[in-house]
Amino acid sequence: GDSVTQMEGPVTLSEEAFLTINCTYTATGYPSLFWYVQYPGEGLQLLLKATKADDKGSNKGFEATYRKETTSFHLEKGSVQVSDSAVYFCALSTGNQFYFGTGTSLTVIP
Amino acid sequence: NAGVTQTPKFQVLKTGQSMTLQCAQDMNHNSMYWYRQDPGMGLRLIYYSASEGTTDKGEVPNGYNVSRLNKREFSLRLESAAPSQTSVYFCASSEGQGLDYEQYFGPGTRLTVT
Repeated sequence: GDSVTQMEGPVTLSEEAFLTINCTYTATGYPSLFWYVQYPGEGLQLLLKATKADDKGSNKGFEATYRKETTSFHLEKGSVQVSDSAVYFCALSTGNQFYFGTGTSLTVIP
Repeated sequence: NAGVTQTPKFQVLKTGQSMTLQCAQDMNHNSMYWYRQDPGMGLRLIYYSASEGTTDKGEVPNGYNVSRLNKREFSLRLESAAPSQTSVYFCASSEGQGLDYEQYFGPGTRLTVT
């Protein structure tokens, strides 16, 4: 069935470090791919999305590229800030349903 | 716009008690969803409503019922709560079903069943 696998956390980085959170997916057909972010005590917020192969989603300095050949959608940011500390979820949509990864907790220390 | 709202924010139940979690959205969205979030398991879909008047089971529907009261409201009912239903519950909505539509989430309800 359709599923998402993302790297386990927690991840701890110093401010201004480079961030990569890996995400791979399994799907029949051609899903859309998303990254959501969850701040403590809040619901999930959409961070970025890509709806077809080779699309790059970007927002707030975060980027991810939809790679069909490697079935991946890795999240990157060149220079993280303390305010980026949150849990990040990779997700795919088949059009009818969403499937979420288990989440990766990121802590950025000053 | 309030977006997606959920009540209550917190609830403690005893085993066997019943309760209804309420969700409403003011974005005129057609589709609504209920998820549960457990440590190490991400979000799992309980039920969804693709449009007003329809509901379908998701990945983990056992022990739950839902009602799509109108276009705005989608409630989740636990008829006889069990400790395994201790979780954080999120309601979400989307404009429709399709690859272009993202989901918008409420703030969650933290439920503890003792």
